[in-house]
Amino acid sequence: QSALTQPASVSGSPGQSITISCTGTSSDIGRYNYVSWYQQHPGKAPKLMIFDVRNRPSGLSNRFSGSKSGNTASLSISGLQAEDEADYYCSSYTSDNTLVFGGGTKLTVL
Amino acid sequence: EDQVVESGGGLVQPGGSLRLSCAGSGFSFSNYWMNWVRQAPGKGLEWVARIKQDGSEIYYLDSVKGRFTISRDNAKNSVYLLMNSLRVEETAVYYCVRDFHYYGAGHLDVWGRGTTVTVSS
Repeated sequence: QSALTQPASVSGSPGQSITISCTGTSSDIGRYNYVSWYQQHPGKAPKLMIFDVRNRPSGLSNRFSGSKSGNTASLSISGLQAEDEADYYCSSYTSDNTLVFGGGTKLTVL
Repeated sequence: EDQVVESGGGLVQPGGSLRLSCAGSGFSFSNYWMNWVRQAPGKGLEWVARIKQDGSEIYYLDSVKGRFTISRDNAKNSVYLLMNSLRVEETAVYYCVRDFHYYGAGHLDVWGRGTTVTVSS
C-alpha cells in the first residue's frame, strides 16, 4: 500500500496548459483503468475531476483531461484559470481490493 | 442533493477509542460502497477503509487493521468507523465518502465536510 508518486508542485500562467503525472506499479495503475483525480481547495473537501482514467463527471469543464500509459497516469489542464489553483490528488484501485492516493500536487497559477 | 455528514470527532488520548458516524441523504444509501478517507494537518489524502453495499466485503489500510472497524446500517443510512488504540499520528480530518462505482473501484464522488480527530495527551 505505498502511495502513488506525484510531483510536489507544478505551475503555469493563465491560458497555458499543464500536466501532472502519477506513477504507480503493476499492482495498481498498471493493472486497472480505475484511476481517478481529485481537486482540493484549501479548507474544502476534495472534488472528483476524472474517473476511469479519462472520464469527466457530468458538468465538469473539458479543460480537464486524463490519460494513462503503463504504470503512469496523467492529468492535463488546458487554458489555466486562477480558480484552478489547488491541490490535485490521483488515486487508483489496487490488486489488494484497496484504494491508494498519490501524495498530492500543488498547482500554482502564476 | 446527495450528501453525507460526519460526526463523532474530538480529542482523545493516545491509546484511546473513538467512533465516527456518517449519515447519507438524498440517495439510495444501500446501493453504494462507502469509504473513510483521512487527511492529517498539512498532508495528503489517505484512504482508510471501505465497505460493500451489504457489508459482506470490508477492506482496510494495513496500518489500521486490527484496530479500526468499519460497519454500516442501511436502515439508518449510516456508516461507522470504530477506532481503537489511536496513535498521535492518526490526528486528521476524517472524511466519509461515497463510491459511485458498483464494484467500489474508487469513484469517490460525494464527500462530507469531514470530522476532526485529535489524538493527544
